[in-house]
Amino acid sequence: GQNIDQPTEMTATEGAIVQINCTYQTSGFNGLFWYQQHAGEAPTFLSYNVLDGLEEKGRFSSFLSRSKGYSYLLLKELQMKDSASYLCAVTDSNYQLIWGAGTKLIIKP
Amino acid sequence: IAGITQAPTSQILAAGRRMTLRCTQDMRHNAMYWYRQDLGLGLRLIHYSNTAGTTGKGEVPDGYSVSRANTDDFPLTLASAVPSQTSVYFCASSDDPGQGYYGYTFGSGTRLTVV
Repeated sequence: GQNIDQPTEMTATEGAIVQINCTYQTSGFNGLFWYQQHAGEAPTFLSYNVLDGLEEKGRFSSFLSRSKGYSYLLLKELQMKDSASYLCAVTDSNYQLIWGAGTKLIIKP
Repeated sequence: IAGITQAPTSQILAAGRRMTLRCTQDMRHNAMYWYRQDLGLGLRLIHYSNTAGTTGKGEVPDGYSVSRANTDDFPLTLASAVPSQTSVYFCASSDDPGQGYYGYTFGSGTRLTVV
């Protein structure tokens, strides 16, 4: 079956760096997404990786290793507003998105 | 309207009743999707439409139906609601189901409680 694994919850300190991991097993691969979802709100697009390597966008970076079925989202200079759930999703061979359950990130002052 | 509009925002529904969740987008996106989100589970695809006039079943389609008469609208109907359909429902769209780079745009969600 198809599976996306990510930690349920993580805690970090304001100003610090946190890495959220995602491993996947899917039938085919056509890209990996990271989305941010604040409580009670809709998910919003953060990043997309289709080739191996690191994609950087300001304070957020996303890494992909297709051979390992692994990705991480790196958040630098954490701010209180970064408290949210972070969703990993993989596009399979049929171009359907398979979603992880999300990682709830708690930022402490 | 900018993006995707869902209605209603929330609803309490008696079991056995019929309900239609509305979704309208103004981005002229070809593909549209309905997801449900439950605590501890990932977003699960209910139905999708790659272009106007076509629909397909997702991971959890039972008890739900959709139609796509035009590009902008993609309503989701619960024919006879059951308590297990209590969830938050998100409508989403993308320019092309194969063009992942730009991601999906989501509506603000409908919180449905079936009692």
